Amino acid sequence: GQNIDQPTEMTATEGAIVQINCTYQTSGFNGLFWYQQHAGEAPTFLSYNVLDGLEEKGRFSSFLSRSKGYSYLLLKELQMKDSASYLCAVRDSNYQLIWGAGTKLIIKP
Amino acid sequence: GAVVSQHPSRVICKSGTSVKIECRSLDFQATTMFWYRQFPKQSLMLMATSNEGSKATYEQGVEKDKFLINHASLTLSTLTVTSAHPEDSSFYICSARDVAGGDSYEQYFGPGTRLTVT
Repeated sequence: GQNIDQPTEMTATEGAIVQINCTYQTSGFNGLFWYQQHAGEAPTFLSYNVLDGLEEKGRFSSFLSRSKGYSYLLLKELQMKDSASYLCAVRDSNYQLIWGAGTKLIIKP
Repeated sequence: GAVVSQHPSRVICKSGTSVKIECRSLDFQATTMFWYRQFPKQSLMLMATSNEGSKATYEQGVEKDKFLINHASLTLSTLTVTSAHPEDSSFYICSARDVAGGDSYEQYFGPGTRLTVT
Protein backbone atom coordinates (compact mmCIF):
# COMPACT_ATOMS: atom_id res chain seq x y z
CA GLY A 1 0.00 0.00 0.00
CA GLN A 2 0.93 3.64 -0.17
CA ASN A 3 2.09 5.36 2.97
CA ILE A 4 3.39 8.73 4.05
CA ASP A 5 4.72 9.26 7.56
CA GLN A 6 5.20 12.53 9.39
CA PRO A 7 5.47 13.32 13.08
CA THR A 8 2.10 14.19 14.56
CA GLU A 9 3.22 17.24 16.47
CA MET A 10 6.35 19.32 17.04
CA THR A 11 7.13 22.26 19.27
CA ALA A 12 9.73 24.94 18.61
CA THR A 13 10.72 28.35 19.91
CA GLU A 14 10.21 31.65 18.13
CA GLY A 15 13.34 32.61 16.22
CA ALA A 16 14.67 29.07 16.13
CA ILE A 17 14.91 26.49 13.33
CA VAL A 18 12.77 23.39 12.98
CA GLN A 19 12.95 20.43 10.60
CA ILE A 20 9.84 18.43 9.77
CA ASN A 21 10.55 15.03 8.28
CA CYS A 22 8.48 13.03 5.83
CA THR A 23 9.07 9.48 4.64
CA TYR A 24 7.05 7.89 1.90
CA GLN A 25 6.34 4.61 0.18
CA THR A 26 4.28 5.08 -2.95
CA SER A 27 3.62 3.36 -6.25
CA GLY A 28 5.74 5.59 -8.41
CA PHE A 29 6.94 9.10 -7.77
CA ASN A 30 6.19 12.29 -9.65
CA GLY A 31 7.06 14.93 -7.13
CA LEU A 32 6.72 15.77 -3.46
CA PHE A 33 4.88 18.76 -2.07
CA TRP A 34 4.73 20.59 1.20
CA TYR A 35 1.64 22.56 2.16
CA GLN A 36 0.88 24.75 5.15
CA GLN A 37 -2.58 24.63 6.67
CA HIS A 38 -3.82 26.93 9.39
CA ALA A 39 -6.71 25.71 11.49
CA GLY A 40 -10.02 25.99 9.66
CA GLU A 41 -8.40 27.03 6.40
CA ALA A 42 -7.45 25.28 3.17
CA PRO A 43 -3.84 24.25 2.51
CA THR A 44 -1.47 26.69 0.84
CA PHE A 45 1.42 25.57 -1.33
CA LEU A 46 4.91 25.89 0.13
CA SER A 47 7.29 23.86 -2.00
CA TYR A 48 7.77 21.23 -4.64
CA ASN A 49 10.66 18.77 -5.12
CA VAL A 50 11.00 16.33 -7.96
CA LEU A 51 14.80 16.00 -8.10
CA ASP A 52 17.13 15.17 -5.24
CA GLY A 53 18.48 18.07 -3.32
CA LEU A 54 17.53 21.21 -1.50
CA GLU A 55 15.06 23.83 -2.71
CA GLU A 56 15.26 27.12 -0.85
CA LYS A 57 12.52 29.71 -0.75
CA GLY A 58 13.04 32.45 1.78
CA ARG A 59 12.77 31.14 5.32
CA PHE A 60 11.55 27.77 4.08
CA SER A 61 13.62 25.04 2.45
CA SER A 62 12.66 21.56 1.33
CA PHE A 63 14.94 18.61 0.76
CA LEU A 64 14.36 15.39 -1.16
CA SER A 65 16.15 12.05 -1.38
CA ARG A 66 14.29 9.78 -3.75
CA SER A 67 16.51 6.77 -3.05
CA LYS A 68 15.66 7.01 0.64
CA GLY A 69 12.01 7.97 0.16
CA TYR A 70 12.66 10.93 2.42
CA SER A 71 12.03 14.64 2.53
CA TYR A 72 12.19 17.38 5.09
CA LEU A 73 10.86 20.88 5.40
CA LEU A 74 13.17 23.31 7.15
CA LEU A 75 11.75 26.46 8.68
CA LYS A 76 14.18 29.15 9.82
CA GLU A 77 13.70 32.23 11.98
CA LEU A 78 10.43 30.89 13.24
CA GLN A 79 7.59 33.32 13.75
CA MET A 80 4.42 32.86 15.74
CA LYS A 81 2.42 32.90 12.51
CA ASP A 82 4.24 29.72 11.46
CA SER A 83 2.13 27.81 13.95
CA ALA A 84 0.12 25.57 11.63
CA SER A 85 -0.09 22.05 10.28
CA TYR A 86 2.41 21.10 7.60
CA LEU A 87 1.28 18.51 5.09
CA CYS A 88 3.58 16.35 3.01
CA ALA A 89 2.08 14.97 -0.20
CA VAL A 90 3.54 12.74 -2.90
CA ARG A 91 2.28 12.51 -6.45
CA ASP A 92 2.27 8.89 -7.50
CA SER A 93 2.56 7.18 -10.89
CA ASN A 94 -1.08 8.03 -11.64
CA TYR A 95 -0.39 11.70 -10.86
CA GLN A 96 -2.58 11.41 -7.80
CA LEU A 97 -1.60 13.21 -4.61
CA ILE A 98 -1.13 10.94 -1.61
CA TRP A 99 -1.34 12.96 1.60
CA GLY A 100 0.39 12.57 4.91
CA ALA A 101 -1.60 13.17 8.07
CA GLY A 102 0.20 16.46 8.70
CA THR A 103 2.49 17.72 11.41
CA LYS A 104 1.10 20.24 13.85
CA LEU A 105 3.81 22.78 14.61
CA ILE A 106 3.47 24.76 17.82
CA ILE A 107 5.64 27.85 18.19
CA LYS A 108 6.33 29.13 21.68
CA PRO A 109 7.59 32.63 22.52
CA GLY B 1 -1.70 34.07 -8.68
CA ALA B 2 -4.40 31.55 -9.43
CA VAL B 3 -7.49 31.91 -7.27
CA VAL B 4 -10.11 29.32 -6.47
CA SER B 5 -13.29 30.29 -4.68
CA GLN B 6 -15.84 28.16 -2.87
CA HIS B 7 -19.37 28.98 -1.91
CA PRO B 8 -20.74 28.84 0.68
CA SER B 9 -17.93 29.05 3.22
CA ARG B 10 -20.17 27.70 5.95
CA VAL B 11 -23.50 25.92 5.81
CA ILE B 12 -25.75 24.36 8.40
CA CYS B 13 -28.50 22.08 7.18
CA LYS B 14 -30.96 19.64 8.61
CA SER B 15 -30.57 15.92 8.29
CA GLY B 16 -32.14 14.60 5.10
CA THR B 17 -31.72 17.76 3.07
CA SER B 18 -29.28 18.34 0.20
CA VAL B 19 -26.51 20.90 0.04
CA LYS B 20 -24.68 22.18 -3.01
CA ILE B 21 -21.13 23.51 -2.83
CA GLU B 22 -19.64 25.47 -5.70
CA CYS B 23 -15.99 25.61 -6.66
CA ARG B 24 -14.82 28.20 -9.17
CA SER B 25 -11.47 28.99 -10.72
CA LEU B 26 -11.52 32.76 -11.00
CA ASP B 27 -8.61 33.63 -13.25
CA PHE B 28 -7.70 30.42 -15.01
CA GLN B 29 -9.33 27.46 -16.70
CA ALA B 30 -9.36 24.13 -14.91
CA THR B 31 -9.98 20.92 -16.82
CA THR B 32 -9.49 18.99 -13.60
CA MET B 33 -10.85 19.77 -10.17
CA PHE B 34 -10.50 17.73 -7.02
CA TRP B 35 -12.86 17.40 -4.08
CA TYR B 36 -11.46 16.63 -0.65
CA ARG B 37 -12.99 16.05 2.75
CA GLN B 38 -11.16 16.70 5.97
CA PHE B 39 -12.31 15.65 9.43
CA PRO B 40 -10.92 17.43 12.49
CA LYS B 41 -7.26 16.73 13.13
CA GLN B 42 -7.06 14.45 10.12
CA SER B 43 -5.46 14.81 6.73
CA LEU B 44 -7.15 15.58 3.47
CA MET B 45 -9.07 12.69 1.93
CA LEU B 46 -9.59 12.78 -1.81
CA MET B 47 -13.22 12.09 -2.59
CA ALA B 48 -13.28 12.43 -6.35
CA THR B 49 -11.58 13.86 -9.39
CA SER B 50 -13.76 15.95 -11.63
CA ASN B 51 -12.98 16.44 -15.30
CA GLU B 52 -14.79 19.04 -17.37
CA GLY B 53 -17.45 17.51 -19.57
CA SER B 54 -17.15 13.98 -18.24
CA LYS B 55 -18.18 11.93 -15.24
CA ALA B 56 -16.23 12.29 -12.05
CA THR B 57 -13.93 9.55 -10.84
CA TYR B 58 -14.73 8.62 -7.26
CA GLU B 59 -12.33 7.18 -4.74
CA GLN B 60 -13.01 3.84 -3.20
CA GLY B 61 -15.58 4.07 -0.45
CA VAL B 62 -17.12 7.32 -1.66
CA GLU B 63 -20.76 6.95 -2.67
CA LYS B 64 -21.25 8.60 -6.04
CA ASP B 65 -25.03 8.71 -5.61
CA LYS B 66 -24.65 10.58 -2.37
CA PHE B 67 -21.93 12.99 -3.44
CA LEU B 68 -22.97 14.27 -6.85
CA ILE B 69 -20.28 16.09 -8.78
CA ASN B 70 -20.87 18.18 -11.87
CA HIS B 71 -18.03 19.87 -13.75
CA ALA B 72 -20.06 21.73 -16.34
CA SER B 73 -17.48 24.27 -17.45
CA LEU B 74 -13.78 24.96 -17.28
CA THR B 75 -14.29 27.26 -14.32
CA LEU B 76 -17.01 25.60 -12.26
CA SER B 77 -17.47 22.31 -10.44
CA THR B 78 -20.21 21.58 -7.95
CA LEU B 79 -20.50 19.01 -5.19
CA THR B 80 -23.99 18.17 -3.94
CA VAL B 81 -24.30 16.25 -0.72
CA THR B 82 -27.66 14.51 -0.99
CA SER B 83 -29.76 13.40 1.96
CA ALA B 84 -27.14 14.72 4.35
CA HIS B 85 -26.59 13.06 7.71
CA PRO B 86 -24.69 14.30 10.76
CA GLU B 87 -21.74 12.06 9.86
CA ASP B 88 -21.37 14.08 6.64
CA SER B 89 -20.42 17.10 8.73
CA SER B 90 -16.91 17.96 7.64
CA PHE B 91 -14.66 20.49 5.94
CA TYR B 92 -14.97 20.13 2.17
CA ILE B 93 -12.17 21.56 0.06
CA CYS B 94 -11.84 21.77 -3.70
CA SER B 95 -8.71 22.30 -5.72
CA ALA B 96 -8.08 22.96 -9.37
CA ARG B 97 -5.30 22.43 -11.83
CA ASP B 98 -4.61 25.06 -14.46
CA VAL B 99 -5.22 23.68 -17.96
CA ALA B 100 -2.43 25.87 -19.27
CA GLY B 101 -0.03 24.43 -16.79
CA GLY B 102 0.59 21.27 -18.81
CA ASP B 103 2.45 19.04 -16.42
CA SER B 104 2.25 21.74 -13.80
CA TYR B 105 2.75 20.45 -10.32
CA GLU B 106 0.56 22.78 -8.42
CA GLN B 107 -3.01 22.45 -7.32
CA TYR B 108 -4.74 25.62 -6.23
CA PHE B 109 -7.03 25.18 -3.28
CA GLY B 110 -10.31 26.85 -2.51
CA PRO B 111 -10.88 28.21 1.00
CA GLY B 112 -13.08 25.29 1.98
CA THR B 113 -16.69 24.85 3.06
CA ARG B 114 -17.60 23.92 6.61
CA LEU B 115 -20.72 21.72 6.51
CA THR B 116 -22.65 21.02 9.68
CA VAL B 117 -25.61 18.67 9.51
CA THR B 118 -27.96 18.83 12.48
